[in-house]
Amino acid sequence: DAGVIQSPRHEVTEMGQEVTLRCKPISGHDYLFWYRQTMMRGLELLIYFNNNVPIDDSGMPEDRFSAKMPNASFSTLKIQPSEPRDSAVYFCASSSGRHFPYEQYFGPGTRLTVT
Amino acid sequence: QKEVEQNSGPLSVPEGAIASLNCTYSDRGSQSFFWYRQYSGKSPELIMFIYSNGDKEDGRFTAQLNKASQYVSLLIRDSQPSDSATYLCAVNQDAGGTSYGKLTFGQGTILTVHP
Repeated sequence: DAGVIQSPRHEVTEMGQEVTLRCKPISGHDYLFWYRQTMMRGLELLIYFNNNVPIDDSGMPEDRFSAKMPNASFSTLKIQPSEPRDSAVYFCASSSGRHFPYEQYFGPGTRLTVT
Repeated sequence: QKEVEQNSGPLSVPEGAIASLNCTYSDRGSQSFFWYRQYSGKSPELIMFIYSNGDKEDGRFTAQLNKASQYVSLLIRDSQPSDSATYLCAVNQDAGGTSYGKLTFGQGTILTVHP
């Protein structure tokens, strides 16, 4: 079974541009998580979905960030407009809330650089 | 107080020694506990989980859980240079409803195993 798939793997963009990150969770998983990781702040949970519905977006830093999950096999995280401080590695992870202990599996990440 | 705290490290051990990584958590309702390994430039990889008090062994790795003390640890026996990575402790609070899949991560401990 394929793991969590993310694209692109690397993104370099200029300040002010729109950035869209994509994620395909593991088939059958009903939870999807977006994380951001930096040296200074570690791994931060941005938002998570259960059955395609956003449950908690309290980690989204500001209105420039938005996330959608139109179906069970696809999610996007959008930053508009992007700023240099958004530079980080963004991970998508998925899990099954039906099978204890609910472990999460991470995608390879998208390394975002905003110049 | 952080919800999940790890010894800050970095931790350096000689090859062949036992590496001990520690984690404390604040929520007594926590149900399951995870250790992830993250190599530099890679995504977190699940290596062990535990949910019952006591020890759980998998090869060179042993996870230990003490719910009364709210403490979980990871022991790596016969440490190898290939074990050098950041180790993340994560806790599932199993709050029910739509929170089953959510994990809270510690900041991570950097482990270096030197030859």
